[in-house]
Amino acid sequence: EVQLVQSGAEVKKPGESLKISCKGSGYSFTSNWIAWVRQMPGKGLEWMGIIYPGDSDTRYSPSFRGQVTISVDKSISTAYLQWSSLKASDTAIYFCARRGNRSAYFYDHWGQGTLVTVSS
Amino acid sequence: EIVLTQSPGTLSLSPGERATLSCRTSQSVSSSYLAWYQQKPGRAPRLLIYGASSRATGIPDRFGGSGSGTDFTLIISRLEPEDFAVYYCQQYGSSPLFTFGPGTKVDI
Repeated sequence: EVQLVQSGAEVKKPGESLKISCKGSGYSFTSNWIAWVRQMPGKGLEWMGIIYPGDSDTRYSPSFRGQVTISVDKSISTAYLQWSSLKASDTAIYFCARRGNRSAYFYDHWGQGTLVTVSS
Repeated sequence: EIVLTQSPGTLSLSPGERATLSCRTSQSVSSSYLAWYQQKPGRAPRLLIYGASSRATGIPDRFGGSGSGTDFTLIISRLEPEDFAVYYCQQYGSSPLFTFGPGTKVDI
């Protein structure tokens, strides 16, 4: 069974750093792109970026480039999303999602989401 | 950047009724690039339709997708109580690579 399991909820202060994770199992982790999607409170889905675990090829949405870093450790089948200096506006649920296959244009499996709360 | 518009914003219906949800793109897109997701409160999105009209694994046949060019439609033929949720369309483009629409809420 394909599973993406995300790290737990975080409460941080503005200016702090954070790295959240997404661990894949039940499939060949290096064969499918992993994306990160933001959902701010009461709002819709925003695509942030995507990484191919096989070679760490990474693409960012222009809205998020320079604001976050997406990385992967394929030895432990885990993708990461990190911030160097959080802002209150980063408060949101962050989902990881698996792209169907290398040439698919959809996400067939999703993590359960990680709630990040940034507050002083 | 391709912009997605979904209508209506909210659809108020009863169980057993038919729901018709629209997704319009600001530029023509290949139907291969259009997908639909369902999201219930506190849950992750779930893939319903890919390639504009292909149902994902395990999706009941009351869900159907159609469309081409700039106009795409998700139809739920007979609403079940568990279908009341928010529905998002998503397209694959150039920059950003993927974009989601703002969503349509289907409620009672």
